[in-house]
Amino acid sequence: GEDVEQSLFLSVREGDSSVINCTYTDSSSTYLYWYKQEPGAGLQLLTYIFSNMDMKQDQRLTVLLNKKDKHLSLRIADTQTGDSAIYFCAEKARSGGSYIPTFGRGTSLIVHP
Amino acid sequence: NAGVTQTPKFQVLKTGQSMTLQCAQDMNHNSMYWYRQDPGMGLRLIYYSASEGTTDKGEVPNGYNVSRLNKREFSLRLESAAPSQTSVYFCASIHPRGRPVGDNYGYTFGSGTRLTVV
Repeated sequence: GEDVEQSLFLSVREGDSSVINCTYTDSSSTYLYWYKQEPGAGLQLLTYIFSNMDMKQDQRLTVLLNKKDKHLSLRIADTQTGDSAIYFCAEKARSGGSYIPTFGRGTSLIVHP
Repeated sequence: NAGVTQTPKFQVLKTGQSMTLQCAQDMNHNSMYWYRQDPGMGLRLIYYSASEGTTDKGEVPNGYNVSRLNKREFSLRLESAAPSQTSVYFCASIHPRGRPVGDNYGYTFGSGTRLTVV
């Protein structure tokens, strides 16, 4: 199957910027997503980017997409302790007539005061 | 509130017991999915249902069965639970067109079922 790769851990100081990186393999992916999972909770959609876009900004979040290199990143500006969570990168790949979401293993973001 | 509802939230089973995890969505989504989440493994797809009346295996289907009861409901059954099935199970669904439409975009997840098999 297709793979989505991301680093497992990221540690930053409060107030700094965080950058979480992801690589994917399916060039047919039309949408790429970032999800946030807080401890003991389900996954919440943070943001998404369409494959014909290079960048998307939403308040403190900036998503960059390099389609040639199949590289996706999520930048969180002015990181707060409440941003501590696991962040999942996901792609939506088509398999026949179905959409099969593939998730990375998740990056644990730890924010130090 | 619109969303994906999973029951139960917690369950402890003895090895060999059976149980069904329930999932229902009220967003008129066609496609529904069952995942398991294990430490360091991320989310792994167990089964999915592209539309009412169809189901397909995902990455880790062994030991599970599913039923797409109607458009709203997609259940996951463990016929004979094993300790290796101790995990957190998530149900998810997505808009029929498979793309963001207004506020109803991406995959919507339930809050999860934490299952322990002893």
